[in-house]
Amino acid sequence: EAGVAQSPRYKIIEKRQSVAFWCNPISGHATLYWYQQILGQGPKLLIQFQNNGVVDDSQLPKDRFSAERLKGVDSTLKIQPAKLEDSAVYLCASSFRRVSRLAGGPYEQYFGPGTRLTVT
Amino acid sequence: GIQVEQSPPDLILQEGANSTLRCNFSDSVNNLQWFHQNPWGQLINLFYIPSGTKQNGRLSATTVATERYSLLYISSSQTTDSGVYFCASRGNDMRFGAGTRLTVKP
Repeated sequence: EAGVAQSPRYKIIEKRQSVAFWCNPISGHATLYWYQQILGQGPKLLIQFQNNGVVDDSQLPKDRFSAERLKGVDSTLKIQPAKLEDSAVYLCASSFRRVSRLAGGPYEQYFGPGTRLTVT
Repeated sequence: GIQVEQSPPDLILQEGANSTLRCNFSDSVNNLQWFHQNPWGQLINLFYIPSGTKQNGRLSATTVATERYSLLYISSSQTTDSGVYFCASRGNDMRFGAGTRLTVKP
């Protein structure tokens, strides 16, 4: 099966500009996650969607970051305006929530290749 | 939120050596995954292991949920094993550890 797709793979912008990232999850995966990974650190969850509803956005800087998942499939993450400290890799992941806990798990996540953002 | 600690932070091995990576978590979790992030940044699933033991080739993992830790074993390491290994757990939210950076030298 196809994996999680993300675009663009790389983006360089100046501070105060806007940027948007796109994610297409694995077909049939109801849950979608956006993470921010700063160099040398583990990924930090920004927002989690279940279908097209937000489950957790407690770590999303809502003054500048926004995300949507229209129709419960693709998702976009936007930063407006960008700051230098937003330079990071933005990772998208998806998981298939199962009722049964047999074979794999309800929260087993699969990651896309990421978008590397550089803010100058 | 839950705290996830990984050790050691860095590990350098000769090819062929074995290693054990540890992940401690501060509270009860209902989900535990191990990932390998390769030098190109791709996070690759290794194990989904909320409890018990699983093996996949040269890698195996054990989670003791009651004692709040998980171990990842790498046997007969190869240079392609180099990269950063993360554990991630879910209590009320999803948390990653800071990772163990593994370098396997030929």
